[in-house]
Amino acid sequence: AQSVAQPEDQVNVAEGNPLTVKCTYSVSGNPYLFWYVQYPNRGLQFLLKYITGDNLVKGSYGFEAEFNKSQTSFHLKKPSALVSDSALYFCAVSPNTGGFKTIFGAGTRLFVKA
Amino acid sequence: GAGVSQTPSNKVTEKGKYVELRCDPISGHTALYWYRQSLGQGPEFLIYFQGTGAADDSGLPNDRFFAVRPEGSVSTLKIQRTERGDSAVYLCASSLKGQGFSNEQFFGPGTRLTVL
Repeated sequence: AQSVAQPEDQVNVAEGNPLTVKCTYSVSGNPYLFWYVQYPNRGLQFLLKYITGDNLVKGSYGFEAEFNKSQTSFHLKKPSALVSDSALYFCAVSPNTGGFKTIFGAGTRLFVKA
Repeated sequence: GAGVSQTPSNKVTEKGKYVELRCDPISGHTALYWYRQSLGQGPEFLIYFQGTGAADDSGLPNDRFFAVRPEGSVSTLKIQRTERGDSAVYLCASSLKGQGFSNEQFFGPGTRLTVL
């Protein structure tokens, strides 16, 4: 079965420190990979995506993500966390062949402490 | 510009009743998705429209759920004979149709459905 795993329910980091939110996937073929963020009382917002090419992709608000095909991972990173980064983060996978279903992970809550 | 809008924002109904949830996508977005999000979970795919047609409805849980998009813009998710297990936030998203599904989705604020 196709799936997306976010192994950490919550990540705690101090402001100014680097952060990593982990995502691994089990999907056939070469899917497209996304990160979305959900702030309190707001809808899901797109952060970044990997389609093809460079394994390190850069997105909004200083976030970046590293695609690792051999480990089927797409971890979200930021060199220096801000308190305002505290939110719920979702990894998602979309097919590039066959089927239209986008699969989301269960989400990781990021808490940045001042 | 205007984003994806969903109405109502909250819907409380009784078990066995019929409900309709509406989604207005971003103008020009031909792709439209419905998801269901339960507490502590990620969005769960329900159905995908490309234009007026449902290209993939494999996520609809049973035949009580149905969705339409008659003119290729506004979509309505319809739930018959609601059950308490249908309580969740229903999300709508739209995107440009690109190669494969490489385009990011733009999400609405969701409709919180509570079935008593």
